[in-house]
Amino acid sequence: DAGVTQSPTHLIKTRGQQVTLRCSPKSGHDTVSWYQQALGQGPQFIFQYYEEEERQRGNFPDRFSGHQFPNYSSELNVNALLLGDSALYLCASSLVDRGSGEQYFGPGTRLTVT
Amino acid sequence: GENVEQHPSTLSVQEGDSAVIKCTYSDSASNYFPWYKQELGKRPQLIIDIRSNVGEKKDQRIAVTLNKTAKHFSLHITETQPEDSAVYFCAASSSSGGSYIPTFGRGTSLIVHP
Repeated sequence: DAGVTQSPTHLIKTRGQQVTLRCSPKSGHDTVSWYQQALGQGPQFIFQYYEEEERQRGNFPDRFSGHQFPNYSSELNVNALLLGDSALYLCASSLVDRGSGEQYFGPGTRLTVT
Repeated sequence: GENVEQHPSTLSVQEGDSAVIKCTYSDSASNYFPWYKQELGKRPQLIIDIRSNVGEKKDQRIAVTLNKTAKHFSLHITETQPEDSAVYFCAASSSSGGSYIPTFGRGTSLIVHP
């Protein structure tokens, strides 16, 4: 049973650049959520995708956008990168119909902006 | 929106001692409270969760208690072992259309000394 996978593992970008992170959900899951985890902090919710649409969004600017594909995988795009965007980006998958609330996290992508 | 406070930020115990981590939340609509363990460089993993219709839940050496009136919940680890050393996050969430978006605390770094 494949768990949540993310790519790439690490990424170094320069201020002003754009980045795309990818996530494949746990087998059988249909919902993908993205989180930003700054060093020494808890994960902060960016947005959630279900049925290829953004369902909910946290307090993040429009520079953060996403997409979900028919196979439930998802991308997180960040434009005009700032130094403050340096963080671990976590993807979590869940199953809406199950309604259990349990989310399975991927290993994360460590983004460094210089 | 929901606000979750977590204390202490660091907890140092001797092997075999008990450890208690406390969290408070602000949104009375929250009804699902998961706890995650995150080892250094790894993904957060769900270790136990509790729903608002119960006051306590146990799983071997781990237990969680919930006081809805006071809006606080706690994680109890008994007979701590060095492998329990990690960062622990509490979270609070409510269901929206079958999905849950957890708001996380800032984490507690638990150090278990052999």
